[in-house]
Amino acid sequence: QITLKESGPTLVKPTQTLTLTCTFSGFSLSASGVGVGWIRQPPGKALEWLALIYWDDDKRYSPSLESRLTITKDTSKNQVVLTMTNMDPVDTATYYCAHSRNRFGFFDYWGQGTLVTVSS
Amino acid sequence: SYEVTQPPSVSVSPGQTASITCSGDKLGNKYTCWYQQKPGQSPVLVIYEDSKRPSGIPERFSGSNSGNTATLTISGTQAMDEADYYCQAWDSSAPWVFGGGTKLTVL
Repeated sequence: QITLKESGPTLVKPTQTLTLTCTFSGFSLSASGVGVGWIRQPPGKALEWLALIYWDDDKRYSPSLESRLTITKDTSKNQVVLTMTNMDPVDTATYYCAHSRNRFGFFDYWGQGTLVTVSS
Repeated sequence: SYEVTQPPSVSVSPGQTASITCSGDKLGNKYTCWYQQKPGQSPVLVIYEDSKRPSGIPERFSGSNSGNTATLTISGTQAMDEADYYCQAWDSSAPWVFGGGTKLTVL
């Protein structure tokens, strides 16, 4: 049974760096083809893909946010970490991590999401 | 950058067929998938690789993708299908592009 759970601060100040951790179980991020991605959703708005890391440490970023994002993995801890620099109120959103079983681009298991508010 | 477009809303009567479209340039050359999201819940994958259903997803959900349009079809729509639906396109040059979402109302 695959599960993922996001953790991190619920409130960050503008210009600060956000660090979110995705802790998962039921799969290994060293298994061929597997990836973990991050997707966010501002309140009342659409989903937006942010980043994804594959089992072989291949990393992909949203072109519009690439300069602000870093994704890393700790296979031994079953964790994936996303950092986003220079946070702004428009970055207020629910942040989800999700499992991808292969390179064909779909997310078959999602975490519950964590709401991050950016405000001074 | 690549974009896909969905209608903001679709309405359907119970028991009827609902069709939700997703449009993008040469979308048929990309993989598409569809997610269902109910209020306060995480998205759930209902169609992947254009037309495949994950285990546990009812047979009334089906998908197609050709030309510039992908379509999610819900046959015999039930009240429980009322939700927001998001298409997502993928290929190696424009990965993980989400549509703006379609609110499906069953009335």
